[in-house]
Parts: sequence; structure tokens; C-alpha cells
Amino acid sequence: KAGVTQTPRYLIKTRGQQVTLSCSPISGHRSVSWYQQTPGQGLQFLFEYFSETQRNKGNFPGRFSGRQFSNSRSEMNVSTLELGDSALYLCASGPPETNIQYFGAGTRLSVL
Amino acid sequence: KQEVTQIPAALSVPEGENLVLNCSFTDSAIYNLQWFRQDPGKGLTSLLLIQSSQREQTSGRLNASLDKSSGRSTLYIAASQPGDSATYLCAVLGSARQLTFGSGTQLTVLP
Repeated sequence: KAGVTQTPRYLIKTRGQQVTLSCSPISGHRSVSWYQQTPGQGLQFLFEYFSETQRNKGNFPGRFSGRQFSNSRSEMNVSTLELGDSALYLCASGPPETNIQYFGAGTRLSVL
Repeated sequence: KQEVTQIPAALSVPEGENLVLNCSFTDSAIYNLQWFRQDPGKGLTSLLLIQSSQREQTSGRLNASLDKSSGRSTLYIAASQPGDSATYLCAVLGSARQLTFGSGTQLTVLP
């Protein structure tokens, strides 16, 4: 079974641009969560989607948004990029009705 | 608000030594606790998951314990090897269905 797949693996953008990151969960998993990792703040929860609905949201500004498609694939969008958005963005998926999360390799975003 | 603390922040040991990493959390209402390993620039590798009803889990040279009432977990690594060098992260899954992570322990095992 393929693991959680995140694309692209690396991304370079400039301030003010927007970016879309993609996450394909493990087959059969309907829950997808996103996390941001920075040296200063560590790993922080962004949001969780389940069956195309945002079920939970962390404490991030509205520039961070996401969605989930009917095939459980999820995208995360960051608009009006700031230097502080440079981070490793991790996606995790979980099987139905369990509390286990499996992580992808992440997308490293650099904002110049 | 759940807070997770890991001590020590960094640890350097000679190869072959047994070691213990500590994790504490403030809210005992958790579903589970997970220990992850992260190599530089990489994603997270799950090492052990302990459900809230369990006391410990073992995998090879790794043993993790959970004392939910006191808000503590330990990760025991036996006979450490240079390949164990990495950052070890503890995370708890709470009622809000989000993982709250500690800041990690950076482990270096010297040959």
C-alpha cells in the first residue's frame, strides 16, 4: 500500500505570491490533517479534513486554507506569502474511526 | 490548551549506552501518545503509538511508557547506535483531534 504522498517536495516562492500544496492520503483513509514545522514554533496543527469537510482548525490566519476532494486528496493553499511562511508542511492521513495518523515526507516551502 | 514538553532538548551519548527521553503533557484527556523520529530535513517516522488505555509499547530496542494520570511518557532506547542519531518528537492526540507536539530531543550517538 502506498504511503501518504505530498507534492511537490520542494518549492520556492517570493513574498506576495500564493502557493498550493497537495496531499494524497493512504488508500481508504478519509481523514487528512496538515501541520506546519518551523525552527521557531516547532510543529503546529493547521487543519483537519474528513469527508470533504473541515473538521478542525488551528490558530493560523485566514491566508491559510485547504480543501478535500471526494477521493480524499487534499490541497492546502497559502495566499499572500510572507517570509515567515517558510517551513516544512506535513500532511497526515488516518483510517476511518481510528486515532492513528500516518505522515508524508512533507513539502519544504521557501519564501524569498 | 494542551502543552507538551520534552526534556532534555539535546543529548549526546557514546554508542552502546541505554538512554531515556522524557515527555510530559498538561491535559490527561488524550486518545493516544506517539513517539516520532525525524532526520534532518525529512518527514516524521512513527516509532511507537500508545493508546490511552495502554501503559507501554515495545518495538525492538525501543520501549515507550505512558502514565496518563501524571501526564508523563518515556522513550527508552537500549544499546544506542550511531544510526539512532535524530530528533525524537513526542505528540499527544487530544479531544480536538489534533496532534500537539513537543519541541523534540536532538539525540547524537557518538561512535
